[in-house]
Amino acid sequence: KNEVEQSPQNLTAQEGEFITINCSYSVGISALHWLQQHPGGGIVSLFMLSSGKKKHGRLIATINIQEKHSSLHITASHPRDSAVYICAVHSGGGADGLTFGKGTHLIIQP
Amino acid sequence: DAGVIQSPRHEVTEMGQEVTLRCKPISGHDYLFWYRQTMMRGLELLIYFNNNVPIDDSGMPEDRFSAKMPNASFSTLKIQPSEPRDSAVYFCASSQGTDSANTGELFFGEGSRLTVL
Repeated sequence: KNEVEQSPQNLTAQEGEFITINCSYSVGISALHWLQQHPGGGIVSLFMLSSGKKKHGRLIATINIQEKHSSLHITASHPRDSAVYICAVHSGGGADGLTFGKGTHLIIQP
Repeated sequence: DAGVIQSPRHEVTEMGQEVTLRCKPISGHDYLFWYRQTMMRGLELLIYFNNNVPIDDSGMPEDRFSAKMPNASFSTLKIQPSEPRDSAVYFCASSQGTDSANTGELFFGEGSRLTVL
């Protein structure tokens, strides 16, 4: 079973700071998801990637397949970015569910 | 599209009662997932379906839990009898598989918050 580790578990930063959240996994994967969960519970998919880098607005996600590592970056962070960010992986071999990290609780202070 | 629709949003019930959670996936999606989220364990996969067929139910905690998908637009997760340790938020998600693999983008419902007293 794939083990998914995220760091840091908690992060508090000031508005405008550059944020990096890391995700490592133990077994080769077919795809990795970054999810965002705001207080109150709804989960939104931010990125799905299997190689390289993706960018959407102020969010950037990268993945290094050889090192089994992915990062989520937030540029010019804003209080509305405060949320839990969850890394999840498909462990490959065709159809399967996801294995989730424990999440990173991010607070951006004005 | 309205997205993945779950009901009820909140349910409070007493131990021993039957609980039924419902999910309507996004039209055209061929994968449907049921997840459970607790403070202690985070998000966990319970079961998922492909084209209405259960593929992996190894995450279902025990026989008290059952899930069905009678057609492409509806799924239920049933707990009978419910216990306090079942208290959690239950999420349904759907995706459209790519080729033979389920690596499509996931779309989550708002979740059903279950409290068993």
